[in-house]
Amino acid sequence: DTAVSQTPKYLVTQMGNDKSIKCEQNLGHDTMYWYKQDSKKFLKIMFSYNNKELIINETVPNRFSPKSPDKAHLNLHINSLELGDSAVYFCASSPGQGEFEQYFGPGTRLTVT
Amino acid sequence: QKEVEQNSGPLSVPEGAIASLNCTYSDRGSQSFFWYRQYSGKSPELIMSIYSNGDKEDGRFTAQLNKASQYVSLLIRDSQPSDSATYLCAVQYSSASKIIFGSGTRLSIRP
Repeated sequence: DTAVSQTPKYLVTQMGNDKSIKCEQNLGHDTMYWYKQDSKKFLKIMFSYNNKELIINETVPNRFSPKSPDKAHLNLHINSLELGDSAVYFCASSPGQGEFEQYFGPGTRLTVT
Repeated sequence: QKEVEQNSGPLSVPEGAIASLNCTYSDRGSQSFFWYRQYSGKSPELIMSIYSNGDKEDGRFTAQLNKASQYVSLLIRDSQPSDSATYLCAVQYSSASKIIFGSGTRLSIRP
């Protein structure tokens, strides 16, 4: 039974398109995150939600818009895709309430051509 | 100075030896520290967490924390080829509800 799942696993698209990535966790955690891992493998936080409320919004272009319909789901919509958006995007969750151990989804490899 | 610093490696260790991975951090107020393992093409997997000074052991893994010197390390005893991966150090940033990852150390266990 998958704890943190993401769809799709792979996404190949052209510059200028809009795409979405979905994430779901069944761990009962309060906090969810989006990370970007670039070609140099550096893992950088983008957003964090706690019980559907945005608590972290790093310096990410506003073409990226997260949405959390409930505490088990966190989606990421990207407008006007650019070549530099190519990366692996990971969703993660943590218990919240001062507990930061994070559990990652399998990742979505986004390739923009 | 980077917030969380690791040697990128690769660190090559013979099978059966002890692998030692190090990490330094800049935020003196950090309280929670984590080690993740990431195989190529896979997602990071939590292997150890440590919150107080000293050693914490879990099977072949030992995490060591020294808050005064602002470093955290991971020892892997009896290294196996399956331990070959990138190891990410992560530190909870005291002024925000987030953790900062180091750039990772690539470990290679040679048979």
